[in-house]
Amino acid sequence: DTAVSQTPKYLVTQMGNDKSIKCEQNLGHDTMYWYKQDSKKFLKIMFSYNNKELIINETVPNRFSPKSPDKAHLNLHINSLELGDSAVYFCASTQGERQAFFGQGTRLTVV
Amino acid sequence: GEDVEQSLFLSVREGDSSVINCTYTDSSSTYLYWYKQEPGAGLQLLTYIFSNMDMKQDQRLTVLLNKKDKHLSLRIADTQTGDSAIYFCAGNFTGGGNKLTFGTGTQLKVEL
Repeated sequence: DTAVSQTPKYLVTQMGNDKSIKCEQNLGHDTMYWYKQDSKKFLKIMFSYNNKELIINETVPNRFSPKSPDKAHLNLHINSLELGDSAVYFCASTQGERQAFFGQGTRLTVV
Repeated sequence: GEDVEQSLFLSVREGDSSVINCTYTDSSSTYLYWYKQEPGAGLQLLTYIFSNMDMKQDQRLTVLLNKKDKHLSLRIADTQTGDSAIYFCAGNFTGGGNKLTFGTGTQLKVEL
């Protein structure tokens, strides 16, 4: 059983398109995150949700809109994709300050 | 924000020990973590240390924490080719909210 699963694993799309990445966790955790890993492998947090409520939004462009229909799901919708959005996006979940469990990542390539 | 720095690269010979270092600024974290990322894969938790500990050993892994110097290290004994990966330190630093701040990552290359 996969603890944190993301779909799709790979996403290739043209500039200007709108796309979504989905994430689900079956760990019963209260908090979920989206992280972005750039081409230099730097990992930066984008969003954090706790029990479906947004608690962290780290200066991410408005084109990125997270949605949490319930505490087990956190989806990421991106409008008007740009070349600079190409990266690997990781979903994660935690319970309190305990370790974070990560999904396998979604490699987004904008052409 | 919190700066968490690591050396970008480390190269060792198979069988030697590897030491990966991490320094952070200004803040403290209840737990400090080491994650491993293999090529094309997600992040795998290797080990963690509670902030009131100085050292933790877990099989081939030894974590050392110097809170005074804000320095964390990961020692891998008898390094194997399968240990080749990127290693990230991370922490829930005070003032950072409920989020993990990651180090810049260290690419470990194990040579025969």
